[in-house]
Amino acid sequence: GDSVTQMEGPVTLSEEAFLTINCTYTATGYPSLFWYVQYPGEGLQLLLKATKADDKGSNKGFEATYRKETTSFHLEKGSVQVSDSAVYFCALGTSGSRLTFGEGTQLTVNP
Amino acid sequence: DGGITQSPKYLFRKEGQNVTLSCEQNLNHDAMYWYRQDPGQGLRLIYYSQIVNDFQKGDIAEGYSVSREKKESFPLTVTSAQKNPTAFYLCASTKMTGAAEAFFGQGTRLTVV
Repeated sequence: GDSVTQMEGPVTLSEEAFLTINCTYTATGYPSLFWYVQYPGEGLQLLLKATKADDKGSNKGFEATYRKETTSFHLEKGSVQVSDSAVYFCALGTSGSRLTFGEGTQLTVNP
Repeated sequence: DGGITQSPKYLFRKEGQNVTLSCEQNLNHDAMYWYRQDPGQGLRLIYYSQIVNDFQKGDIAEGYSVSREKKESFPLTVTSAQKNPTAFYLCASTKMTGAAEAFFGQGTRLTVV
């Protein structure tokens, strides 16, 4: 079945550092890929998405590229801020089946 | 504004009681989902529904029940058979099952007292 593997956290960075959170997946068919963000005590919000190979999703300075050859969708940001502190979830979806989420990665950015 | 609404935000339950968590969406989405999240953990799927009057068990359905009588509504009942119900519960919806973006509610934090 479908699965998503995220790098284990927690991740702690200083403000303005470069961020990478790794995500790899296993899926049948041609999935869409997503990154969601969860702030404390809240639901998840879509951060970015990509629907086909080589697509790059981007939002709020975050980017991720759909790499079919390496089955990856790594999240990157060039300069993190304290306000980026949250839990980040990688997810995949295939038409006709349920969404599959990774375990989540806690990011803490210190001033 | 379109969105997905969960209520209540906080809920306290005595042991042995059933409680129902509400989830309503006005996005005209076909699919709806219930997830459980424990502290520091990921999301675990309880139930999902692709169309009205139909739903499927997720990975941890034991001790929970759902109904989908209307497209807009997908309530979750936590029964007394659920031995460890204290958790954060999240409802989500998508336009179609799987490949579409999911919209989430703000969550309900259930505590057994």
